[in-house]
Amino acid sequence: NAGVTQTPKFQVLKTGQSMTLQCAQDMNHNSMYWYRQDPGMGLRLIYYSASEGTTDKGEVPNGYNVSRLNKREFSLRLESAAPSQTSVYFCASHTYSNQPQHFGDGTRLSIL
Amino acid sequence: GQQLNQSPQSMFIQEGEDVSMNCTSSSIFNTWLWYKQDPGEGPVLLIALYKAGELTSNGRLTAQFGITRKDSFLNISASIPSDVGIYFCAGPSILPSNSGYALNFGKGTSLLVTP
Repeated sequence: NAGVTQTPKFQVLKTGQSMTLQCAQDMNHNSMYWYRQDPGMGLRLIYYSASEGTTDKGEVPNGYNVSRLNKREFSLRLESAAPSQTSVYFCASHTYSNQPQHFGDGTRLSIL
Repeated sequence: GQQLNQSPQSMFIQEGEDVSMNCTSSSIFNTWLWYKQDPGEGPVLLIALYKAGELTSNGRLTAQFGITRKDSFLNISASIPSDVGIYFCAGPSILPSNSGYALNFGKGTSLLVTP
């Protein structure tokens, strides 16, 4: 009963390095999302994918790219990491548009 | 995203006490969600509210969807140590082309429970 699985759980990068965060869900959900959570804040939407083959920008997309590889997998890429991207990243998914989103356990990313 | 104001920011209570927290918005929402986040984990859905005035329970938790659709309340009765965590309210904004929704989150209420 995995739900939404994110890898890695922790990562430290140097400024300028690139990295891909992975997310996979086994609930046959159509829509997938990437959020970031900064200290003392709620989550903010980076990118989303309403269905396989489509992706769109959210509230804070600058510095990120995404790929919806198939229905199960939605990856987030940092091409040139910056200290301002130090955060906890959460992937979420849901089925129909009025159903609640389910979250993974997050990737804790530090950029030095 | 839309701003949700959550209060109180933190609560420090004794086991057995009841807890109340609320969330307000300047915009109307058609759905209110309450999530709990434990340290090192992602948010877990507690209660979903879909209708103004709705009162829904999940064990010791009760949440209400405000009549104005601009607020919601969460109550926890007879708190226990495992209630410790951060509680978030969230309201959805429909994304372009009705392709899904973004969740707007409050900043959370941090709950500490002493035995």
